[in-house]
Amino acid sequence: DIQMTQSPSTLYASIGDRVTITCRASQSVNSWLAWYQQKPGKAPKLLIYKASNLEGGVSSRFSGSGSGTEFTLTISSLQPEDLAIYYCQQFNTFPLTFGGGTKVEIK
Amino acid sequence: EVQLVESGGGLVQPGGSLRLSCAASGFTFDNYPMNWVRHPPGKGPEWVSLITATGAGTHYRHSVRGRFIISRDNSKNKLYLQMNSLRVEDTAVYYCAKGKEESTMRSAFDPWGQGTLVTVSS
Repeated sequence: DIQMTQSPSTLYASIGDRVTITCRASQSVNSWLAWYQQKPGKAPKLLIYKASNLEGGVSSRFSGSGSGTEFTLTISSLQPEDLAIYYCQQFNTFPLTFGGGTKVEIK
Repeated sequence: EVQLVESGGGLVQPGGSLRLSCAASGFTFDNYPMNWVRHPPGKGPEWVSLITATGAGTHYRHSVRGRFIISRDNSKNKLYLQMNSLRVEDTAVYYCAKGKEESTMRSAFDPWGQGTLVTVSS
């Protein structure tokens, strides 16, 4: 199975900060990677698909990059509504697998 | 608006069975692959199973293969997950999730339903 490792597990940042979350795959997933945002009590919401494509309706503060085994999710200017847990997920190979999550909290 | 509504969760003893359902609306159901994804307490999400748009193909995570069966009824716009021989470690919120792109298994999940809680405990 492809292991997805996210770092950091918890991120403390101030409103307005630029925030970067990293996701590493144990083997290449090409660009078949998605990022999701999950807020308490809610289902995950798709933010980025195919590594760098912004889902419709998602703020342009969010961007994704990378290919192969190294990926990043960037929030250009952190806003209060961005407090959430973020997950990466590969959909290159079965079984489809998720990272362990990065919790974004206010410093 | 795309809507996915799960039902069928609950408390079950180890070794028991449950059948989850997901009612879909707002899109052409039989054009899209569908997934079950679960979120165990305190852990990250786990993909459970995928079924192709026609229902002809299925995939499972290793730990549920042979115990869980995914199916769909395209005439009713419904997705199912039959869960047998349930284990304590199957305890999770179970979500149905639509494949973002038509007719391909290589697809992110968009959207997800609101989830249904399955608790396996004696």
